[in-house]
Amino acid sequence: NAGVTQTPKFRILKIGQSMTLQCTQDMNHNYMYWYRQDPGMGLKLIYYSVGAGITDKGEVPNGYNVSRSTTEDFPLRLELAAPSQTSVYFCASSGTDNSPLHFGNGTRLTVT
Amino acid sequence: AQSVTQPDIHITVSEGASLELRCNYSYGATPYLFWYVQSPGQGLQLLLKYFSGDTLVQGIKGFEAEFKRSQSSFNLRKPSVHWSDAAEYFCAVGLGDSNYQLIWGAGTKLIIKP
Repeated sequence: NAGVTQTPKFRILKIGQSMTLQCTQDMNHNYMYWYRQDPGMGLKLIYYSVGAGITDKGEVPNGYNVSRSTTEDFPLRLELAAPSQTSVYFCASSGTDNSPLHFGNGTRLTVT
Repeated sequence: AQSVTQPDIHITVSEGASLELRCNYSYGATPYLFWYVQSPGQGLQLLLKYFSGDTLVQGIKGFEAEFKRSQSSFNLRKPSVHWSDAAEYFCAVGLGDSNYQLIWGAGTKLIIKP
């Protein structure tokens, strides 16, 4: 019963490097989300998707890209890492647009 | 601007004691209200939610929360905490009925003293 799986759990990037944070869910949920959590702050929505092939910007999309080619997967791409992107990233999914969110365990990213 | 405030960054409670975690919001209309919990090394899990109706809401793990419109608050309570309740608790406010409209508090870390 995996739920939402995020990889990697930890990553250190140098400024200017790129990487993809992986997120997959096995609950056949249409809705998926990416959040970032900075110290002392609430979760901020980066991007979300209402189904395969459909994505939309959240509150803080700059510096990130997403794709949703399948229902299961919703990867988050950082093209040119910056220190401001040091954060903990959470992926979540929900069956409908207002049903409870199911979260992954998070990815702690440090950009130096 | 809409906001959610959890005034306590950390709270320490003895095992068996009662608990109240505070959540205040700033929003002109009646929002949808949520509490999520994040246990160490885990993702966030929904504890309870308020959409309408009875202002006292029961959730999982023995938690309850009360919506007080006059105080713009949605405080989380538990009569007797267990060591397994040690976690971080997040209040979230929905400006509409979609998850992408949620605003999140910064969280309160609950520490349980044996």
